[in-house]
Amino acid sequence: GAVVSQHPSRVICKSGTSVKIECRSLDFQATTMFWYRQFPKKSLMLMATSNEGSKATYEQGVEKDKFLINHASLTLSTLTVTSAHPEDSSFYICSARDPGTGLYQPQHFGDGTRLSIL
Amino acid sequence: GNSVTQMEGPVTLSEEAFLTINCTYTATGYPSLFWYVQYPGEGLQLLLKATKADDKGSNKGFEATYRKETTSFHLEKGSVQVSDSAVYFCALCEQNTDKLIFGTGTRLQVFP
Repeated sequence: GAVVSQHPSRVICKSGTSVKIECRSLDFQATTMFWYRQFPKKSLMLMATSNEGSKATYEQGVEKDKFLINHASLTLSTLTVTSAHPEDSSFYICSARDPGTGLYQPQHFGDGTRLSIL
Repeated sequence: GNSVTQMEGPVTLSEEAFLTINCTYTATGYPSLFWYVQYPGEGLQLLLKATKADDKGSNKGFEATYRKETTSFHLEKGSVQVSDSAVYFCALCEQNTDKLIFGTGTRLQVFP
């Protein structure tokens, strides 16, 4: 079945560092990918919709300059947390839907990246 | 706006007990409905889905029926196992935007 790969799975770094997270669709082309943030014991919050070849669409309250999204190819989207601080520590998850499987098909999720800022 | 409401957890059951996790939604149009499961430290896995009214999604003994009249998509399993312990998320996919709207998640703990 469709697989979405996310890397790295865990990052621990110092405050002020910028961190890049990759999301790849392994066996399909994804014109649209989604980035979520999950707080401990909470639900997933959609941060932005990543569109191949164009600017990402950010949800209300999400800082564009803090969370840079690049979707340079049909199989790769990246989320860069710039100048990360402890409050950015969270679990970040990406997803994508295989458009080739028809309408109403589910999104497939990566395994998530746990980001810890010291 | 569209939203999903799930019952509060945690739900604690003994092995082989019957499970129900309630989910109701508010949406315009005709969303698709999903249940996702998240095991500790992992991402989300699709459990089952339904794309139109009266559809029943099923997988691994879990079932949910898309009830438009009650705007519900309750998750059920006749006999839970310890390995079913996880967090379960109900979600709807907005018809026009492809965005997923999640419920808050319900933690299920199954004891032997």
